[in-house]
Amino acid sequence: DAKTTQPPSMDCAEGRAANLPCNHSTISGNEYVYWYRQIHSQGPQYIIHGLKNNETNEMASLIITEDRKSSTLILPHATLRDTAVYYCIPRKYSGGGADGLTFGKGTHLIIQP
Amino acid sequence: DVKVTQSSRYLVKRTGEKVFLECVQDMDHENMFWYRQDPGLGLRLIYFSYDVKMKEKGDIPEGYSVSREKKERFSLILESASTNQTSMYLCASSVAGGNGEQFFGPGTRLTVL
Repeated sequence: DAKTTQPPSMDCAEGRAANLPCNHSTISGNEYVYWYRQIHSQGPQYIIHGLKNNETNEMASLIITEDRKSSTLILPHATLRDTAVYYCIPRKYSGGGADGLTFGKGTHLIIQP
Repeated sequence: DVKVTQSSRYLVKRTGEKVFLECVQDMDHENMFWYRQDPGLGLRLIYFSYDVKMKEKGDIPEGYSVSREKKERFSLILESASTNQTSMYLCASSVAGGNGEQFFGPGTRLTVL
């Protein structure tokens, strides 16, 4: 699996857009980019994933560069409840769903009131 | 609301004890996973199961075993607990053939003295 580089921490003001970058320059052609987050004392939570097109759901948007070497997770209107560690995970997906996740160190996003 | 529950949030055991960690999901998911999460080491897969009575080793299976007798329940067993198994244990489930999203439980923080 590809290695990732994420900033260890970021601050964002409440109500502003939070943009979380991830570098995955060694990603292979069949690896998706998944994003999860983990709020303190809770289990991880899936946010979004994509292969090469930009994706949007009710939680966030995912922008993947054309060369797929980096991506940005965007939380459009951050709230205090978005304070969490965010993990970017390149991952092959076999279709059966029984593929384990490997989290690195992630980015600790702190939303400031 | 989908749910993965774990039998305990906190557990303290002594070295050499046999420890059972239970996980139950109510989503009729085929796949279930056990992870441990340690500071500086991230999330690591211990075992997973893609069907009743089926199990596969993950990245760090040594010192652990699992049991899946019913679809909704996946148990992690520490045959003889050791201090280096002190960790946060996370259970997850996912649907076969889905988008790869895993649903996590709240975690069990196990301390082995």
